[in-house]
Amino acid sequence: AQRVTQPEKLLSVFKGAPVELKCNYSYSGSPELFWYVQYSRQRLQLLLRHISRESIKGFTADLNKGETSFHLKKPFAQEEDSAMYYCALFMDSNYQLIWGAGTKLIIKP
Amino acid sequence: DTGVSQDPRHKITKRGQNVTFRCDPISEHNRLYWYRQTLGQGPEFLTYFQNEAQLEKSRLLSDRFSAERPKGSFSTLEIQRTEQGDSAMYLCASGTGKETQYFGPGTRLLVL
Repeated sequence: AQRVTQPEKLLSVFKGAPVELKCNYSYSGSPELFWYVQYSRQRLQLLLRHISRESIKGFTADLNKGETSFHLKKPFAQEEDSAMYYCALFMDSNYQLIWGAGTKLIIKP
Repeated sequence: DTGVSQDPRHKITKRGQNVTFRCDPISEHNRLYWYRQTLGQGPEFLTYFQNEAQLEKSRLLSDRFSAERPKGSFSTLEIQRTEQGDSAMYLCASGTGKETQYFGPGTRLLVL
């Protein structure tokens, strides 16, 4: 069955420290993965997608098909990175996004 | 604001009542999605429209739920005979392709 797992509900790191938000997926097809972010009192918005291989706000994510992972990384966390982060898997067969439960990232000053 | 809008933003109702939510997508977007999100969980897919056609419907969507997009523009989601378990945030998103979905602010439903 298709599934997205974000093992950490909460991650707290100090400003300037590296950040890694974990995402693992289960999907028999060719995965298309996304990271969405929700800042406090704002709507969900796309952070990045694996097919574009871009870096947004210093965040990167590499798709590792061998480990079925799509971890989100940033070398130096900033306080404004505090937010909820969701990993999502797009299923081409029925246009559904399957979402992880989210990780709340808190950056301590 | 040319983003996705949803109305109302909050709804409190009594068990057994019917409620209807509206979503106005970004005007040029032909795809529209409804999701439900409960506390501590990511969004769960409910249904998907391409223009006015409802192409996918989740098994989560019981017979009490119905969604329409009559002219391929705005969409409505109706819940009949609401139950306390329907309390959640209902999210709408729109897009033109599979890559990016643009989300509305959501409608928070509380069923008493």
